[in-house]
Amino acid sequence: KAGVTQTPRYLIKTRGQQVTLSCSPISGHRSVSWYQQTPGQGLQFLFEYFSETQRNKGNFPGRFSGRQFSNSRSEMNVSTLELGDSALYLCASSLLDSIYGYTFGSGTRLTVV
Amino acid sequence: EDQVTQSPEALRLQEGESSSLNCSYTVSGLRGLFWYRQDPGKGPEFLFTLYSAGEEKEKERLKATLTKKESFLHITAPKPEDSATYLCAVHSTGNQFYFGTGTSLTVIP
Repeated sequence: KAGVTQTPRYLIKTRGQQVTLSCSPISGHRSVSWYQQTPGQGLQFLFEYFSETQRNKGNFPGRFSGRQFSNSRSEMNVSTLELGDSALYLCASSLLDSIYGYTFGSGTRLTVV
Repeated sequence: EDQVTQSPEALRLQEGESSSLNCSYTVSGLRGLFWYRQDPGKGPEFLFTLYSAGEEKEKERLKATLTKKESFLHITAPKPEDSATYLCAVHSTGNQFYFGTGTSLTVIP
């Protein structure tokens, strides 16, 4: 079966711009979570959506937002980009409850210049 | 404060040389502990979930164990293809996920 698909794979943006990243979960998976991965901090939880509702949120500023559509596809948006937002952004999906573990996509590598 | 600490940060083994990776955690309540493998340029790949102290899971050369405060990932007779970063994550009863920063494993032929 198809895995978690993230687009685009690579992105270069200028400081101050905004960006939208997309994630298509595994078919049937209703829980989608987003993570930011950097060499120094490791994986940091951004937010989780389940059935179009944000169920959980990490400790990130309001510039980071997300949404989930009725087909479980999810997008995350980062406004007013800062150099420190450069990272690998990972999306993960789970069947029902994240307790069963996530399946991760390959990520979107965002570089802010 | 809830946190997950993995050690060592990096580990170099000769092919066939068994060893263990450690994941210690401090959370208010544990719903589950997860182990993932991550290869360069890819997302983490799910390996195991452990739910309660005393539980063990095995997959090929890997065996994960769990106590009340830590988990171990034992690697028996590793091969070069086992080289990767191994990540530990804890799911708390507060419905938060905390990841460790990983152990980078290199297996030398």
